[in-house]
Amino acid sequence: ETGVTQTPRHLVMGMTNKKSLKCEQHLGHNAMYWYKQSAKKPLELMFVYSLEERVENNSVPSRFSPECPNSSHLFLHLHTLQPEDSALYLCASSQVGTGGFAGELFFGEGSRLTVL
Amino acid sequence: AQSVAQPEDQVNVAEGNPLTVKCTYSVSGNPYLFWYVQYPNRGLQFLLKYITGDNLVKGSYGFEAEFNKSQTSFHLKKPSALVSDSALYFCAVRDSGNTGKLIFGQGTTLQVKP
Repeated sequence: ETGVTQTPRHLVMGMTNKKSLKCEQHLGHNAMYWYKQSAKKPLELMFVYSLEERVENNSVPSRFSPECPNSSHLFLHLHTLQPEDSALYLCASSQVGTGGFAGELFFGEGSRLTVL
Repeated sequence: AQSVAQPEDQVNVAEGNPLTVKCTYSVSGNPYLFWYVQYPNRGLQFLLKYITGDNLVKGSYGFEAEFNKSQTSFHLKKPSALVSDSALYFCAVRDSGNTGKLIFGQGTTLQVKP
């Protein structure tokens, strides 16, 4: 496996379900990101993890719960979602160095979520 | 706060003609600028970036971008468009701070017709 891998690619869930999205990066990067892409909206940054520590949470509802057990894996746990949460969820990784230097983000193929 | 704007929702061009997808930016400090492409039901693919140096940046698939500080622009260009270039293009700027996160424009759909 190379790059950034996201599973599942497609997920349909009811509003009372609990599910998780998984992201794995094989690039040796130290930062990982969750973005949400809705129809006709720009990409919205949800969470940032740097060196396995959450460094940003962009006012995301608590029904979305991220987890970063190590620098290669990132999860997004989903619980009691709403139909408006239906979107493409994109995971990305990058290498962040000292002084704020960072390379480009590498994205996975995304997980298409539909909430019924 | 850092931001980018893509003034065109869609750009139409005939195959073989040059293409330009526009992007303007607003930053405090030095801009770190990026272009990505997204094909249907796929993730974003990195095309090119400007960090410092030459104002003309060359990237993947024959794309290039011109950094213009006086006009605060970073337009994406290609001398000869292909039908396969039809996709959604995003301009992005690195946000201030040390998380490496990118702030994206709203995207421009490029339609190349045979």
